[in-house]
This record gives sequence, C-alpha cells and structure tokens, in this order.
Amino acid sequence: GENVEQHPSTLSVQEGDSAVIKCTYSDSASNYFPWYKQELGKGPQLIIDIRSNVGEKKDQRIAVTLNKTAKHFSLHITETQPEDSAVYFCAASLYNNNDMRFGAGTRLTVKP
Amino acid sequence: DTEVTQTPKHLVMGMTNKKSLKCEQHMGHRAMYWYKQKAKKPPELMFVYSYEKLSINESVPSRFSPECPNSSLLNLHLHALQPEDSALYLCASSHTTGVVAPQHFGDGTRLSIL
Repeated sequence: GENVEQHPSTLSVQEGDSAVIKCTYSDSASNYFPWYKQELGKGPQLIIDIRSNVGEKKDQRIAVTLNKTAKHFSLHITETQPEDSAVYFCAASLYNNNDMRFGAGTRLTVKP
Repeated sequence: DTEVTQTPKHLVMGMTNKKSLKCEQHMGHRAMYWYKQKAKKPPELMFVYSYEKLSINESVPSRFSPECPNSSLLNLHLHALQPEDSALYLCASSHTTGVVAPQHFGDGTRLSIL
C-alpha cells in the first residue's frame, strides 16, 4: 500500500517568516494530495489540496507544490502568524477515498 | 465551525459499559468514515460507509460496531473496550468514495476507558 513520509516532525519559525513542510509518497499512481491543519482539541481541517495533473496551487498565504517525478509534495506558508501554530498532516490517495494515507504530522510553532 | 458534528465531545466509560458515538453531516455527502487518532499520531482509518453500506473494515475488533442509519448519520457502538482504545475518534464525510474527493472531519469524541 501507499506509504507517506513527512518532514520535519517539528518546525519553529518567527512570525512573518516562511514555513515549508515536505512529504514523499511511495506509489506513483497516487493522484490526490490534501493537507490538513489540526489545532488543539479540534479535528483535522482541510486547508489545501492538489491533484496529480497540477504542479502547483496557491490560496492566499498557503501554496502546495507537487513533483510527480520525485514523488514528493510540499506545503509552503508565507508570512506566518501565531494562529498558524498547529499540527499539519499531509496525505495521499491512490485511487479513491478508501485508501487515503496520512504522514506522521509536523508540529508548527510560530513565535510572536 | 465544522460541518460534521460529533457527539459527545468527551466520553469516559468503564470496560464493561456500552456506549455510542454519533456523527451527523448535512452536506449531502454519501461517504462517511470513522478514524481513530492516538496522541501525537495521524488518524487511522477504521471504517468506510458508501451509500449507507459498509465498504471497508480495516480489521477493527468486533468491540467496535459501526452503523449508518441514513445518509446523514453515522454511529459507532462501543462494548467491552480496553484501556488501549482510549483515543480521539474522528468522523469524516466526502461526496463519494468512487473518486477522490476532500474529506471533511468533525472535531471528534475524546474517549477514555477506565
């Protein structure tokens, strides 16, 4: 089955700096890559996603890039704010929603 | 606020108790999921319902019994749980399971087994 690796496990940045979280996947047939943000006491919230036919997608301060050849995708957060502090999970789906696999998570801390 | 509502938010139960977790969505989604999340770990898929029929059971012990009474509701019946079953139980929904589509999560039920 699909295996998703996520790095780093923890990331600390100063407010206003950029943050980058990277994930790699094992199965080249994976075609959907969502990113979730999980705040303390909450469920995962979808913040951005990308499909395999697209190389980059941006939504305000958040962007995701996909390199199908290298089988990795990254989350970029610019102009970070303290409210961006949370655990971020990447995920990959092979064919359908029955097999979405999550990375181990990255705890992002944005220092004011 | 999440569009997937889970109740209760917290549940403490003994190993001999029977309780149920509830999940509700009104987005017209036809796929619903139960996940288990241990502290500092990603969610792990337990069950998938597609059009009110169980389509995936990820080798979950029989002390967890899912039920989908209609397209908006999903229950998880609990009986004779073990202390290691203490975790955050998350419900999610998506348009279908046939093609990849965003899954929307509730805020979960934090379950503690005494």
